[in-house]
Amino acid sequence: DAGITQSPRHKVTETGTPVTLRCHQTENHRYMYWYRQDPGHGLRLIHYSYGVKDTDKGEVSDGYSVSRSKTEDFLLTLESATSSQTSVYFCAISGNGGQGIYGYTFGSGTRLTVV
Amino acid sequence: AQSVTQLDSQVPVFEEAPVELRCNYSSSVSVYLFWYVQYPNQGLQLLLKYLSGSTLVKSINGFEAEFNKSQTSFHLRKPSVHISDTAEYFCAVSVTQGAQKLVFGQGTRLTINP
Repeated sequence: DAGITQSPRHKVTETGTPVTLRCHQTENHRYMYWYRQDPGHGLRLIHYSYGVKDTDKGEVSDGYSVSRSKTEDFLLTLESATSSQTSVYFCAISGNGGQGIYGYTFGSGTRLTVV
Repeated sequence: AQSVTQLDSQVPVFEEAPVELRCNYSSSVSVYLFWYVQYPNQGLQLLLKYLSGSTLVKSINGFEAEFNKSQTSFHLRKPSVHISDTAEYFCAVSVTQGAQKLVFGQGTRLTINP
C-alpha cells in the first residue's frame, strides 16, 4: 500500500546480532502494529503503539523492543536475534481506533532469516 | 481475552465449486469480526467485516459471511470460486469497547484446482 512501507523487505542475519526493522506511514494514523506470521500460527501481535512514545506489548513480545519517536515511524528491534525469530514481519496501521472498524492497512512484510 | 479458531488449515476445492471457511471466536464481551485475505507474497487486505446490524455481510467479489452469536461463529462462504481466489484467509476479532488490537486466527489456505 502506498501509505505504509516496510524496510528492509528481506534480511539475513546471524544469531546474536541486533536487527531493526522499520515501518513508515504517510497516513498520520495513531495506531501502529507489529505482527509476525508463521505457518500454523497465523499472525501474532508483537507490540503496538497508540501514539508517539506510547507502546504496549502483544502476545509474543519476548526478545523484541519497539520505539516510536514520531507519528510516522515505528521501529521493531531484535536485541539479539535467535533462529526462533526467523519469520515474516508485518507492520499495520489503523486510523480510527484500535478495533479496526475501517480495516487495518498492512505493509508488504519483511522476511527475516536468522542463521 | 478474545481468541479465534479457524478450523481448517487448508481447503482444496475445484473451480466453480462452493466453499466454506470456518471461523469460531471466543469472547466474554461484544465483538467486531473480520475476514482478511492474503495473496501470495503480499500483505493482508480487508475482505469484509461485521460491526453491527444485519448478520450477513458481503464483499464486492462474491464472498459472504454470517455472524452467528449463539454459535460464536463467522464462517466465510462463496457459492462458486475462481482460480483467482487462491489465497490465505484470516479471520480476526476485536472487542467493541476498549479494544486497541485485532486478534487473528491461524489462517486457512484456499487452493483452487482447475
